[in-house]
Amino acid sequence: SYVLTQPSSVSVSPGQTASITCSGDKLGDKYASWYQQKPGQSPVLVIYQDDQRPSGIPERFSGSNSGNSATLTISGTQAMDEAGYYCQAWDSSNVVFGGGTKLTVL
Amino acid sequence: EVQLLESGGGLVQPGGSLRLSCAASGFSFSSYGMSWVRQAPGKGLEWVSGISGGGNSTYYADPVKGRFTISRDNSRNTLYLQLNSLGAEDTALYYCAKDLFTVSYWYFDLWGRGTLVTVSS
Repeated sequence: SYVLTQPSSVSVSPGQTASITCSGDKLGDKYASWYQQKPGQSPVLVIYQDDQRPSGIPERFSGSNSGNSATLTISGTQAMDEAGYYCQAWDSSNVVFGGGTKLTVL
Repeated sequence: EVQLLESGGGLVQPGGSLRLSCAASGFSFSSYGMSWVRQAPGKGLEWVSGISGGGNSTYYADPVKGRFTISRDNSRNTLYLQLNSLGAEDTALYYCAKDLFTVSYWYFDLWGRGTLVTVSS
């Protein structure tokens, strides 16, 4: 079965750029999505189709995908961005999520 | 208001059954595929099952195949998940999610608040 791998944690200083990676075999041939989940809340879609931002998602969120990796980039990270982030793709009629990355803003 | 509202969770004994429901409002329910995604306590997201807008096509993750059944009633704008032969590994918060699905991509642009299923004796 298809596997997506994320780092368990990433730390960033306020105002700096955070990058969260998601690795999978030939992931660049598929579309990647990203979800933000704050404690006690439901997930929220922040990036779809590799680099598209839903309405209402700040411009500081961006995405890319090529080769075997997708990346979620948060520019000018704010304290409110501290959350769990999950990448997601689909393969052979199965949806796959990465294990999640806890982003700490300190 | 566009929203999804799950219900039906609870405490069930191992080997037992439960039926979850998800009431949708604020969008054309029958035009969209829907999915169930679960999250065990302190763990990550796990897709469970999906169904096409018309209900003709269904999809299941390997851990639940043969035990869970997804269905929908478009006249009631409601999604269902029948859970049978439950085990401790099925303990999780079950989210209902609205799909954007084509041959090229599959993602979820609206999520409910979840309903908690606890399997324990």
